[in-house]
Amino acid sequence: DVQLVESGGGLVQPGGSLRLSCAASGFNVSSNYMSWVRQAPGKGLEWVSVIYSGGSTYYADSVKGRFTISRDNSKNTLNVQMSSLRVDDTAVYYCARVVGSWYYFDNWGQGTLVTVST
Amino acid sequence: SYELTQSPSVSVSPGQTASITCSGDKLGDKYVCWYQQKLGQSPILVIYQDFKRPSGIPERFSGSNSGNTATLTISGTQAMDEADYYCQTWDSHTFVFGSGTRVTVV
Repeated sequence: DVQLVESGGGLVQPGGSLRLSCAASGFNVSSNYMSWVRQAPGKGLEWVSVIYSGGSTYYADSVKGRFTISRDNSKNTLNVQMSSLRVDDTAVYYCARVVGSWYYFDNWGQGTLVTVST
Repeated sequence: SYELTQSPSVSVSPGQTASITCSGDKLGDKYVCWYQQKLGQSPILVIYQDFKRPSGIPERFSGSNSGNTATLTISGTQAMDEADYYCQTWDSHTFVFGSGTRVTVV
């Protein structure tokens, strides 16, 4: 069975950094498209970033230049390094597998909460 | 940037049909999928490629997409279908979500 488990969330001050990880099982992260999606408290879903199987990466304008998506093939994990964090980055961050070429999310993790506050 | 518009809420009586719409420019030229998110849970995929159902999703969930509007239809709505529903498409390496529709079964 496919499983995605996020970790690394927590409280961070504005301007700080945080690294989230997503441990995958039941499939290989390296041969799939993988993405991060976030949801601010009481708000809707917002796409954050994607990494394609070939290694290309893309970002939402709201995080471009501040977030970096990557994967560790040896650990079968997806990561996102978040820097220059702002209060409006506060959200539950979900890791999701993308069905390549059709561009929809067929499996989601349980999410990890990132709170940016003083 | 591409945008998808959903109405904020829909109310439906048990056993009746709920229709949730998602609008975007020439949306019918793109593939649309739908996610269900119950309170405190992660989203789950209920429709992909406009009208296909993943394994395990009840037949009462159906989808269509034409012109500028995609529609998720829940036939014979049950209390367990009460949730937020999001449409999603893809445009130039960007994944786009609608703002979500809350379905209330009353």
